[in-house]
Amino acid sequence: SQTIHQWPATLVQPVGSPLSLECTVEGTSNPNLYWYRQAAGRGLQLLFYSVGIGQISSEVPQNLSASRPQDRQFILSSKKLLLSDSGFYLCAWIPQGNGGGYTFGSGTRLTVV
Amino acid sequence: RKEVEQDPGPFNVPEGATVAFNCTYSNSASQSFFWYRQDCRKEPKLLMSVYSSGNEDGRFTAQLNRASQYISLLIRDSKLSDSATYLCVVRGGFKTIFGAGTRLFVKA
Repeated sequence: SQTIHQWPATLVQPVGSPLSLECTVEGTSNPNLYWYRQAAGRGLQLLFYSVGIGQISSEVPQNLSASRPQDRQFILSSKKLLLSDSGFYLCAWIPQGNGGGYTFGSGTRLTVV
Repeated sequence: RKEVEQDPGPFNVPEGATVAFNCTYSNSASQSFFWYRQDCRKEPKLLMSVYSSGNEDGRFTAQLNRASQYISLLIRDSKLSDSATYLCVVRGGFKTIFGAGTRLFVKA
């Protein structure tokens, strides 16, 4: 069966520090991968999506970047965090060409202080 | 106008009540529709897809009206465990839009 892993679960980082969040999917190949952010009490905002290794599409210009170094690995990074980067970061996947719903990882709650 | 709009609630209902959530979307070319459930401080989880003919899963019934660009979710015989935020989700191509969610509190 397919599973999605996301870590860490919680993170407290100072302003100006770097960030690296990792997401891996098991039990499938060539998935579409997504990074979302949810601010407190708000809806989900799509940050990046990827349809294959090295292919990244950015939805929102911001302080973040994403990479997909391997088929089932998706990384969200920042060189210097801002207070406004605080939020709940969610990785999601869906099989290529599948019209069904996403499956989300358990999320990383990031607080920038 | 937001691409996907939901009444934020909260809806406070007693156990056993029937509650309905509505959602409207702006892109008439949208192709797929879903309801997700999100518990406090947890990830969203797929509750059900929504089909034009309407579909039911136990106590949950979803309806889609493409002409009015409107989706609904009906929960019958509410349980305490139904308390959560319900997200309306609309997809067209690669673009998937999540509504901000409707909060439901079911009380004993």
